[in-house]
Amino acid sequence: DGGITQSPKYLFRKEGQNVTLSCEQNLNHDAMYWYRQDPGQGLRLIYYSQIVNDFQKGDIAEGYSVSREKKESFPLTVTSAQKNPTAFYLCASSQPGISYNSPLHFGNGTRLTVT
Amino acid sequence: AQSVSQHNHHVILSEAASLELGCNYSYGGTVNLFWYVQYPGQHLQLLLKYFSGDPLVKGIKGFEAEFIKSKFSFNLRKPSVQWSDTAEYFCAVTLISNFGNEKLTFGTGTRLTIIP
Repeated sequence: DGGITQSPKYLFRKEGQNVTLSCEQNLNHDAMYWYRQDPGQGLRLIYYSQIVNDFQKGDIAEGYSVSREKKESFPLTVTSAQKNPTAFYLCASSQPGISYNSPLHFGNGTRLTVT
Repeated sequence: AQSVSQHNHHVILSEAASLELGCNYSYGGTVNLFWYVQYPGQHLQLLLKYFSGDPLVKGIKGFEAEFIKSKFSFNLRKPSVQWSDTAEYFCAVTLISNFGNEKLTFGTGTRLTIIP
């Protein structure tokens, strides 16, 4: 079945360490996204990529980095510069056209805890 | 910058009650509108969407939403809720620009609890 795989489901890191969250999709979608979900704040866009080797900052990109070397993969690195990294991270993909009318397909998320 | 507001943070209803969840957005241009739902322990999934045409759109599980352009609103409704509708509901908006680099902005979500 086609879908988005995020791994691991739970991740624990010590403060000051960088950590990379994996996101893989086999839907052949061009666009991929990273959102952060915090209680009472909904989903906030971190980074998005509409095509391989290209990506743009979202609303809260500071302290994060991404790469898009392959169509199916869009890893997110949470760096030590991110001041409040503990959160639930969601990866999504879609197949956009000239007008954005394709819904997002979400992964099951990774819960990151930094102590 | 565009924003999406969901003023109801937590709604508690009894089964068979009618539901209306509010969603307002700030962008004055052309938009596409979505409602997503996240059931407990499950991933986010699309409930319904509006792109153009009839402003009253129907989604899965008996949900519908009405786009009122003059009010910048896209409220979600269901005539009679069930216990299985307990979930978190997110409104989302994409602005349509001339540059083709649209992005989806989500509201803060509304947690719906249905009491049997």
